[in-house]
This record gives sequence, C-alpha cells and structure tokens, in this order.
Amino acid sequence: GAVVSQHPSRVICKSGTSVKIECRSLDFQATTMFWYRQFPKQSLMLMATSNEGSKATYEQGVEKDKFLINHASLTLSTLTVTSAHPEDSSFYICSASRWAGGQETQYFGPGTRLLVL
Amino acid sequence: GNSVTQMEGPVTLSEEAFLTINCTYTATGYPSLFWYVQYPGEGLQLLLKATKADDKGSNKGFEATYRKETTSFHLEKGSVQVSDSAVYFCALSGGGSEKLVFGKGTKLTVNP
Repeated sequence: GAVVSQHPSRVICKSGTSVKIECRSLDFQATTMFWYRQFPKQSLMLMATSNEGSKATYEQGVEKDKFLINHASLTLSTLTVTSAHPEDSSFYICSASRWAGGQETQYFGPGTRLLVL
Repeated sequence: GNSVTQMEGPVTLSEEAFLTINCTYTATGYPSLFWYVQYPGEGLQLLLKATKADDKGSNKGFEATYRKETTSFHLEKGSVQVSDSAVYFCALSGGGSEKLVFGKGTKLTVNP
C-alpha cells in the first residue's frame, strides 16, 4: 500500500507555455500533499504544502502565481507551472501524507522531469 | 530551526563491504527520523524510519538507530550489493511541523 503516482513522468515544452503535473495517492486518502523541486545532484527543496479544499501554503521564495497548486480531492493534487521558462526545468516530486497507527509518513511519487526549451 | 547534516559523498564500495552513512540532526522536541533512497531517475522511496529514542528502523538489510544522546541516525548495512547503488537522504519531521527536512543526500556506488 501507500502508492503515489505522478503524471506525466517526463515533459518537454516550449518557453511560455503552461504545464500541469498530477499527483495521485492510489490506495489511500491524503489530506496533505507536498510539492518539491530537485536540482541536479542536490537535495529536495520544498515548494509548497497542499491541503485538500484549501489554498496551498508556499515556502519563502516560491512564486505562488507561477506555480499554481490545486488540491481538489483527497487523492489528487496538481501543480501547474505557468508561462514556463528554461530556468523552470527541473525534477518535480510530490508526496502524500498518510496517517497510520498514530504516525504520519510521507510517500513520494516517482517524479516528473520538466524540460523547457 | 530543524536541520539535518549527513556525510558528503560520493561513497564508493565494493560488493559485500560494510556501509555507514552518518546523519546528525538539530530539532526542537522529539522529531521522527527517516532514511529515503532515490534510485537513478526515480523519486524517493521510504527506506526506514524511527519515531522515538532508541527505536531501530530496519528494511532490506539496512538499519538505523535513533540516538537522542548524540542526535544521530546513522544508516548501516553489513554487506552492500550493486543494486544498493543510489542516493540516500536522511530526513526528519517534527517540532510541531509535518514538513520533512532533508539532508543533502549521499550518493553510494557499489562496484561488483
């Protein structure tokens, strides 16, 4: 159990276009999902925390108008990179929180590699 | 604030060698501690975790013990395999926040 999927796994787009990435918890409900960005050979940088039915909480320095997050249901959160530019090229990873036995654990999706030309 | 420091890599070992990747943390309260593994081109997978002092997390031959006195959560494996080649991240959550704080990651390469 505790499987998280992301779609697409890889996307190439032209500069100025928008790209939507989906994150789904397949076998559990997640009230909280997280979006991370990972640069080559670096650690994960938390971008925002997404709670079902409410606005996302963005980390300092992350442009909320550029990275739109929607958490419409307990199993789906989407990240839309608006007007993408080459510097937005990165590996985007989501995670979903699952509570079990009084403990919370984050389960990660396989990531989406975005290349903006 | 919370922070995680893990040994810098890369680490290169021969198959069947003993592995230790050091991880120390700074946190308020009693955090939960995690090790995640990232295989090439993939997302992170939870490897093991511990939620209180002296707990030992274990999985796939890997172990880590939550040491509050030394604020450490070192990852160990007695005999590594080529398939263990990956990047390993130490992380914590707690102090009233569900956010995960990651170390910078340690790349492990195991040669046959």
